[in-house]
Amino acid sequence: DVKVTQSSRYLVKRTGEKVFLECVQDMDHENMFWYRQDPGLGLRLIYFSYDVKMKEKGDIPEGYSVSREKKERFSLILESASTNQTSMYLCASSFSEGRETQYFGPGTRLLVL
Amino acid sequence: QQQVKQSPQSLIVQKGGIPIINCAYENTAFDYFPWYQQFPGKGPALLIAIRPDVSEKKEGRFTISFNKSAKQFSLHIMDSQPGDSATYFCAASIQDFGNEKLTFGTGTRLTIIP
Repeated sequence: DVKVTQSSRYLVKRTGEKVFLECVQDMDHENMFWYRQDPGLGLRLIYFSYDVKMKEKGDIPEGYSVSREKKERFSLILESASTNQTSMYLCASSFSEGRETQYFGPGTRLLVL
Repeated sequence: QQQVKQSPQSLIVQKGGIPIINCAYENTAFDYFPWYQQFPGKGPALLIAIRPDVSEKKEGRFTISFNKSAKQFSLHIMDSQPGDSATYFCAASIQDFGNEKLTFGTGTRLTIIP
């Protein structure tokens, strides 16, 4: 069974703090993704990575950065958290061949005060 | 700019009814259309997917209908059950040099009442 785990289910941070969200997958997937989910807006892609040390901007990369030092691990970094980054953050992974299913983690609900 | 428009935002159907969720897209380069199902507290999971060379795909009680000329596709759930209560997302993608990005709709919160 594919497993995508995220480091925290809930996080509360203060404005201006640096925030790290970590994602680990155990299926040797090449591709990894970070989305945010907001009511009425669906899932929006922040960043994705198709290989170690590679990253590509998604649709809403502003205010975020990512790091992929190992194939199984993909980190999302909020350099200086702001209240408008309060959201549910979802990590996903997939193989890179053909039309591959994306497997999602359970999400991290982040509240920035 | 929402490239995949999904409606309705929420839907309440009685058990046994046939909820229908609709999606429309703008980019004619999209060539793969999956649906994801999300239960509370869980991440989305792939439910069913279709390519534009077919007009319908059925898996169990779930059916996708696809209308290429209208750039629309929809999910039908036959004999709906309370266990189908979840949020459903349509999506569309273009494969770009082996790497695929999904563009998701805004989601439909479906409630099936007994």
